[in-house]
Amino acid sequence: GQQLNQSPQSMFIQEGEDVSMNCTSSSIFNTWLWYKQDPGEGPVLLIALYKAGELTSNGRLTAQFGITRKDSFLNISASIPSDVGIYFCAGQGRIVNQFYFGTGTSLTVIP
Amino acid sequence: DAGVIQSPRHEVTEMGQEVTLRCKPISGHNSLFWYRQTMMRGLELLIYFNNNVPIDDSGMPEDRFSAKMPNASFSTLKIQPSEPRDSAVYFCASSFKLAGGPGELFFGEGSRLTVL
Repeated sequence: GQQLNQSPQSMFIQEGEDVSMNCTSSSIFNTWLWYKQDPGEGPVLLIALYKAGELTSNGRLTAQFGITRKDSFLNISASIPSDVGIYFCAGQGRIVNQFYFGTGTSLTVIP
Repeated sequence: DAGVIQSPRHEVTEMGQEVTLRCKPISGHNSLFWYRQTMMRGLELLIYFNNNVPIDDSGMPEDRFSAKMPNASFSTLKIQPSEPRDSAVYFCASSFKLAGGPGELFFGEGSRLTVL
């Protein structure tokens, strides 16, 4: 199945720093989703984006739907220890009800 | 509101045994997905159903895997016979999507399978 290119693969940052990660695809998507997965749990939806150029925030998280509809990024501001986890992007086309996932970004926040 | 419910959360079995994983999607959702997650391959889509009908099962590894959705509130993923390489976390997820419309995917907490 198709996988999205997500980068970076892992990040080690100091508490309080900002984080940025992105996802690119060779295909156009109509929906971009960002998830966080804690150890032993299922991915939890953080932000959903539905329009090219859309910028959406959820607390300290901000995500954007790229203008080309082939990319998206997620920013986390002022990171805290509970931000630790694996972040996944996912894209969905307009007709096909299938979600394609990125390879994940593992985030470690050092107190 | 209840999310996607999966059972069992953990299963340890011996090679050759049959394994059945269960899923109850979010009420009102019309699509259900089974994913497998491993360190090596990440999240892999195995199969998905739309309105209880299997739409794409190209991700099912081989004939040992089968999935059913007898009604809108229940699905099973069966592995028979199981092999050690089937060890993984299996996620069920559901969404509500109309043709041409957006959808959001919600995951269960997963079933961690270990085949000895």
